[in-house]
Amino acid sequence: DTAVSQTPKYLVTQMGNDKSIKCEQNLGHDTMYWYKQDSKKFLKIMFSYNNKELIINETVPNRFSPKSPDKAHLNLHINSLELGDSAVYFCASSPPPGENPGEPQHFGDGTRLSIL
Amino acid sequence: GDSVTQMEGPVTLSEEAFLTINCTYTATGYPSLFWYVQYPGEGLQLLLKATKADDKGSNKGFEATYRKETTSFHLEKGSVQVSDSAVYFCALRKGTGANNLFFGTGTRLTVIP
Repeated sequence: DTAVSQTPKYLVTQMGNDKSIKCEQNLGHDTMYWYKQDSKKFLKIMFSYNNKELIINETVPNRFSPKSPDKAHLNLHINSLELGDSAVYFCASSPPPGENPGEPQHFGDGTRLSIL
Repeated sequence: GDSVTQMEGPVTLSEEAFLTINCTYTATGYPSLFWYVQYPGEGLQLLLKATKADDKGSNKGFEATYRKETTSFHLEKGSVQVSDSAVYFCALRKGTGANNLFFGTGTRLTVIP
């Protein structure tokens, strides 16, 4: 069974469109994350939710809006897509901060977003 | 602030060569340290970890030792294979703070036959 699953795996769309990426985890973790990985493989955290509440919101354009309907899901909605949004977006989950720092984050396989 | 610095890539080695990818960290307290691997077209997978000083993490022939005195967690493998070609990320995680996981910039390894 896949622990952290993201859909879609590939997303090709035009500038100006609105799109969503879904993420689900079945590990029972309370904390979920979204990362952006650029073409040079640099990973940048975007958001973190703990038990459906936002706890990290890095400097990300407000066109990006996370939604957590329950603690097993963290979806990412992007409005008015721009060329610079082309990247791979990873979802991850872990136990909450402060609990068991030896427990790693578990990552999904990524969503490859290409803006035409 | 807390951070991880890892060796710039890319690294290209011949099959069966010895691999070292350097990683040093800056952190208060006692973080846990991780190496993640990202194979082409895939997500990050945990490769190994160490949670306290002098611990050695190992997996698939890779090893790394948590050295508090040098604040390092260098990744080593005695004999690399073509299938080890991937991007390797060093990371640290602390028990406190909302953003308590910090990644290095990644090191791309290519192993040629």
